[in-house]
Amino acid sequence: EAQVTQNPRYLITVTGKKLTVTCSQNMNHEYMSWYRQDPGLGLRQIYYSMNVEVTDKGDVPEGYKVSRKEKRNFPLILESPSPNQTSLYFCASSLAGNEQYFGPGTRLTVT
Amino acid sequence: SQQGEEDPQALSIQEGENATMNCSYKTSINNLQWYRQNSGRGLVHLILIRSNEREKHSGRLRVTLDTSKKSSSLLITASRAADTASYFCATASNTGNQFYFGTGTSLTVIP
Repeated sequence: EAQVTQNPRYLITVTGKKLTVTCSQNMNHEYMSWYRQDPGLGLRQIYYSMNVEVTDKGDVPEGYKVSRKEKRNFPLILESPSPNQTSLYFCASSLAGNEQYFGPGTRLTVT
Repeated sequence: SQQGEEDPQALSIQEGENATMNCSYKTSINNLQWYRQNSGRGLVHLILIRSNEREKHSGRLRVTLDTSKKSSSLLITASRAADTASYFCATASNTGNQFYFGTGTSLTVIP
C-alpha cells in the first residue's frame, strides 16, 4: 500500500530536549516536505527536499533541521524545542510539483 | 506571508445541496491544488489545476481558476454527510518546489 508514515504520532516533551520526528514514504517520490498546522493559520511549509542531499527552507524554517540521506526518509529535527513549536506536524511526498501524499500527522506538545 | 485565504471560513448546508468555496492567493503559480482534511487527520488530495487551465472536473468536484484575479473556486455538487471536512487550497510556486496553503473552509453537511 502506498503510504507516508510518521513516528511518533503523539509526543509530549520539555523545552530544550532534542527530538526527531521520522517520516518515510514507499512511493519512490523525489519530493518530500514538512508542514506545521496551527489553528487559524492553515498549513505552513517548514522545509522541503527535491531529492537526496537536496533540502531547502520553506516559509517557517526557524528552529528546525532536516536531512535527506535516503530517498525514502526525511526526518525533522528540533534541536532545542520551545513551546511555540507546539503544533500538529505533517510530512508529505510527491512527484515534484504534483499532488502530495500526506502522513497521518504528529501532534507535538512542548512544555 | 504568501499564504492564501479561503472564503468562507465555515459553511453549513443540507445534504443534496451544492457547496462552493473560494480561494485567493498572492503570487504567480505553477498549479493550484485542493485538499480535504477530516478532523485532525492527514490531508487528502482532491484535484489539481494547472496555471494554463481554467476549469477542471472530477466526479462531483468542479474547480475553476482565474489567474488574472488570483483566485480559484471549488464546487461540490449534491453534497453528502461524508463530505463534512475542512477544505484547503494550496498553490505551488512557479518552480513547483514551494507550497502555500490557505487557511481552510470548514464544511458541515447536515443529513
